[in-house]
Amino acid sequence: GAVVSQHPSRVICKSGTSVKIECRSLDFQATTMFWYRQFPKQSLMLMATSNEGSKATYEQGVEKDKFLINHASLTLSTLTVTSAHPEDSSFYICSARDGLDEKLFFGSGTQLSVL
Amino acid sequence: EDQVTQSPEALRLQEGESSSLNCSYTVSGLRGLFWYRQDPGKGPEFLFTLYSAGEEKEKERLKATLTKKESFLHITAPKPEDSATYLCAVQAMGETSGSRLTFGEGTQLTVNP
Repeated sequence: GAVVSQHPSRVICKSGTSVKIECRSLDFQATTMFWYRQFPKQSLMLMATSNEGSKATYEQGVEKDKFLINHASLTLSTLTVTSAHPEDSSFYICSARDGLDEKLFFGSGTQLSVL
Repeated sequence: EDQVTQSPEALRLQEGESSSLNCSYTVSGLRGLFWYRQDPGKGPEFLFTLYSAGEEKEKERLKATLTKKESFLHITAPKPEDSATYLCAVQAMGETSGSRLTFGEGTQLTVNP
């Protein structure tokens, strides 16, 4: 099956710093990638939809200036959490759709802890 | 607004004890219903896609079924390695954002040896 690689798997940072998370589709071209956030024992909440070469579409309540998304190529999307605060601590997961398939493939997730 | 409700929240089974997980949904025209497995600290792993009422799919000890209002994930003779959180998600017809999915909160399954 298709593989989506996400890095880093875990990051700890100080409050006020910015953190970048990368999501790569390894064996297919992903015109659309999705970024989710998941709190412990809760479901995945869609944050934004990232389309290659255009601006991301953010879900209601998600601050676009706080969560910067760049989808610069057909295989790479990045999420930058700017000026992170403890309330941004969460599990962030990216996913990508193989254009030939309806299925979404997920990365392994990034656990962000902001001190 | 699309909604997905999964039950039970948590389920403990003995090895070999078959059971079913439920996913109830409301959506403005179902394009597809998806089942994923998620292990702690990992991203979801795709299991099944169901598209129309009456459809069934099987994979090893798992079988997914679909009606117009709900889906069931049947687990036959489970093993400890089946322990995970099982997520259900729906995709609405006419989604303009690619494969945007709405997820349920999941059922945490524990299979004891």
